[in-house]
Amino acid sequence: AQKVTQAQTEISVVEKEDVTLDCVYETRDTTYYLFWYKQPPSGELVFLIRRNSFDEQNEISGRYSWNFQKSTSSFNFTITASQVVDSAVYFCALSGTEKSSGDKLTFGTGTRLAVRP
Amino acid sequence: GAGVSQSPRYKVAKRGQDVALRCDPISGHVSLFWYQQALGQGPEFLTYFQNEAQLDKSGLPSDRFFAERPEGSVSTLKIQRTQQEDSAVYLCASSLGSFHTDTQYFGPGTRLTVL
Repeated sequence: AQKVTQAQTEISVVEKEDVTLDCVYETRDTTYYLFWYKQPPSGELVFLIRRNSFDEQNEISGRYSWNFQKSTSSFNFTITASQVVDSAVYFCALSGTEKSSGDKLTFGTGTRLAVRP
Repeated sequence: GAGVSQSPRYKVAKRGQDVALRCDPISGHVSLFWYQQALGQGPEFLTYFQNEAQLDKSGLPSDRFFAERPEGSVSTLKIQRTQQEDSAVYLCASSLGSFHTDTQYFGPGTRLTVL
């Protein structure tokens, strides 16, 4: 069975602070894919990043960066110099490749980020 | 280009009524997924189509839930004899390829409230 844990339910920061959202996953698959999605108040899930299990290089995209550590089964997401527009619920998700994992994304429960001006 | 669209955006049903939720995937996308998102939770998988074939329906909670994609594009999720526990946001997603690990792009969802 696959599982994604986002232990931080809510985080509140002041604008321009850096913030890291934690994601820990469990899977028995050798090959798997990890994702982050943003869900603003409008409700639509917005794709942020997809990473496969063989690529452990950290990635940076503007103010966003992701740290993938296979040894600790973590895929953390950092927002640098946060802005009010970053306020949303962020979901980490996992997709396995073995038949036993099913044809689906397994989501965490999400972290609600509030950025105060 | 146009993203995934869903209709209606909001649906209120009386307990026992049947409802039908529609999903228009991104044009040309082979795979289509349905998820259910309860308040304060992450989306939970319901079912997966590759073209018109329903390859996985392991997440459908009961036989009151039925999904179809007859021509390999538009999909409909039908819930018969709705119950209060069916109240949730129903999300549709599509992906370009036939591999379920491809990036899924989501629609805005249909918020179903069962009274």
